[in-house]
Amino acid sequence: GENVEQHPSTLSVQEGDSAVIKCTYSDSASNYFPWYKQELGKRPQLIIDIRSNVGEKKDQRIAVTLNKTAKHFSLHITETQPEDSAVYFCAARTPRNGNQFYFGTGTSLTVIP
Amino acid sequence: DTAVSQTPKYLVTQMGNDKSIKCEQNLGHDTMYWYKQDSKKFLKIMFSYNNKELIINETVPNRFSPKSPDKAHLNLHINSLELGDSAVYFCASSLLAGLSSYNEQFFGPGTRLTVL
Repeated sequence: GENVEQHPSTLSVQEGDSAVIKCTYSDSASNYFPWYKQELGKRPQLIIDIRSNVGEKKDQRIAVTLNKTAKHFSLHITETQPEDSAVYFCAARTPRNGNQFYFGTGTSLTVIP
Repeated sequence: DTAVSQTPKYLVTQMGNDKSIKCEQNLGHDTMYWYKQDSKKFLKIMFSYNNKELIINETVPNRFSPKSPDKAHLNLHINSLELGDSAVYFCASSLLAGLSSYNEQFFGPGTRLTVL
């Protein structure tokens, strides 16, 4: 099945700086790559996603890039704010195995005021 | 107007018991999922189910079984609970779709299961 790796596992940045989280996947058939933010004690919530026919997508301070050839995708958060502090998960969905989503191991982001 | 709901929110039980967690979605989605999130926050897929097939992750013990009375519900039954089953269980739903369709997966609020 699909294997998604995510780095780093923890990340601390100063408020206003940028944060980058990277993921790799193994299944070349994967075609949809969402990013989720999970605040403490809450459910994961989608913050941005990208499909395999797109290389980059941006939504205000958040952007995602996808390199299909290298099978990696990244989340970029600019001008970080304390409320960006959370655990972030990348995921890949593969049409093999019932279109299941496979998640990375998460990155705990702390934005220091 | 809750999109994906789960009950109960908290579940505390003794080892060896059998318990169920209910999940309902009102989004008209055709695929539902169960995930286990352990103490290290890893999100592991347990099952995905649509009206055509049930996909079971090979690492899930057969003490866990999903039951879907209809398209909007996917309940999780757990037999003979063990200490290691303690975790937060999330239900989710999405459309089974390809590149041109809306793909977002919505999560329920989670059920924190504690086995004593």
